[in-house]
Amino acid sequence: KNQVEQSPQSLIILEGKNCTLQCNYTVSPFSNLRWYKQDTGRGPVSLTIMTFSENTKSNGRYTATLDADTKQSSLHITASQLSDSASYICVVTPTGTASKLTFGTGTRLQVTL
Amino acid sequence: NAGVTQTPKFQVLKTGQSMTLQCAQDMNHEYMSWYRQDPGMGLRLIHYSVGAGITDQGEVPNGYNVSRSTTEDFPLRLLSAAPSQTSVYFCASSQGESGYTFGSGTRLTVV
Repeated sequence: KNQVEQSPQSLIILEGKNCTLQCNYTVSPFSNLRWYKQDTGRGPVSLTIMTFSENTKSNGRYTATLDADTKQSSLHITASQLSDSASYICVVTPTGTASKLTFGTGTRLQVTL
Repeated sequence: NAGVTQTPKFQVLKTGQSMTLQCAQDMNHEYMSWYRQDPGMGLRLIHYSVGAGITDQGEVPNGYNVSRSTTEDFPLRLLSAAPSQTSVYFCASSQGESGYTFGSGTRLTVV
C-alpha cells in the first residue's frame, strides 16, 4: 500500500529559528509531491508543488526539496514566525490517478516566544 | 472570490439521523472531492467527481452518498449517521495539475 510518513510528529521551536520537516514516501511512480499548511480549524492550504523531476521549490520562507531516488522530501522553514504554528502535510499524487492523493499524517509545529 | 465554501461549520447528530454537508466552489473547477480527517490519520478520500454527472468512490465511501448535478456544487449525504462518522470533513476542488483548494471544514459529532 502506498504510504507517506512524516517526521517528527510534533515540534516546538523558538521564534526566529529555522526548522526542517521530513517526508518519506513509498508511492511509485508519482507525478507530484505537495506540501500543505493547515492552521487549526481550517482547511489545508498549498505551499509548494514539485513534479518528480524537480529538486527544490521555494515559497517565501518555505523551501521544499525532493530526492526521488531515496523517496524523501523535506520542508525547510527559515526565520520562523508565530504565524507558522500549524500542521504541515506532505501529499503525494500517484501517476495516472490524480484523484487518489496519498496524505501524510502531518507534523504539528509550534513556534513560541 | 470565495473559493470553496462548506456549510455548516459544526453539526451534532444523533445516531441514525441523516444530513447533507454542502460544498460549493466558484472557480469552475471540474474536479471535486470529499475527505475526512481523523486524529492521527491522514486525510482519507470518501468520494470524488471529475465533472458534472460523474462521481466515484474513494477509500472510505461506506455510509456516504454524493451527487454532482452542477459544476459548482458537490453535496455529501450521510444516510444514517453512526458514531464512527464523527470527524472533520473537507471538500476540495482542483483543475488539471493545479493545487487543491480546500474548504474550511465541517466538524461533525454523532452521539
